[in-house]
Amino acid sequence: NAGVTQTPKFQVLKTGQSMTLQCAQDMNHEYMSWYRQDPGMGLRLIHYSVGAGITDQGEVPNGYNVSRSTTEDFPLRLLSAAPSQTSVYFCASFGGGSYEQYFGPGTRLTVT
Amino acid sequence: DAKTTQPTSMDCAEGRAANLPCNHSTISGNEYVYWYRQIHSQGPQYIIHGLKNNETNEMASLIITEDRKSSTLILPHATLRDTAVYYCIVRVGQTGANNLFFGTGTRLTVIP
Repeated sequence: NAGVTQTPKFQVLKTGQSMTLQCAQDMNHEYMSWYRQDPGMGLRLIHYSVGAGITDQGEVPNGYNVSRSTTEDFPLRLLSAAPSQTSVYFCASFGGGSYEQYFGPGTRLTVT
Repeated sequence: DAKTTQPTSMDCAEGRAANLPCNHSTISGNEYVYWYRQIHSQGPQYIIHGLKNNETNEMASLIITEDRKSSTLILPHATLRDTAVYYCIVRVGQTGANNLFFGTGTRLTVIP
């Protein structure tokens, strides 16, 4: 199993550009989440999904969109990038009755 | 979810036990204590969790006080690779936690 994979690893955007961060898991987990981590801080929840076709907002959803068309994939879209969205983004998944949440390696995003 | 309080940083000598405290005085009866760690800039990694009894696995031990208002994560023989930020999280439910609240955690430095 590859676990949770994220692409790209690094990305630089200009203010106003849009892009999609990719997240995929091969563990057949029904739950998937997106977090952001700003320097020196803990992770904050952006959006999450409890299954294909079902998504909901987390603590800091503004400026981001998600969709979940398959169990495996949970992309995060930045609609119009702003410098305040400079952060490291982590995708996570869990399921199958497990108590452990699995995190991807992260995407480091810089918006200039 | 109950709020947790952890020291900002701790040092531990290599080979010695690292004892990381966590205060969760407002925890309710159905909330579990989870511990995750984040090594450098990687995605967080699950360590252990418990409800009221002490727990042990291959990575660590978790000691929860009888009144459940605090807990201690014990790494029995710390190595340099245990240098990381450790997060204590309190959350309802054992079968995974969709939206984990990460505070700022404790930065543990293992010293040679």
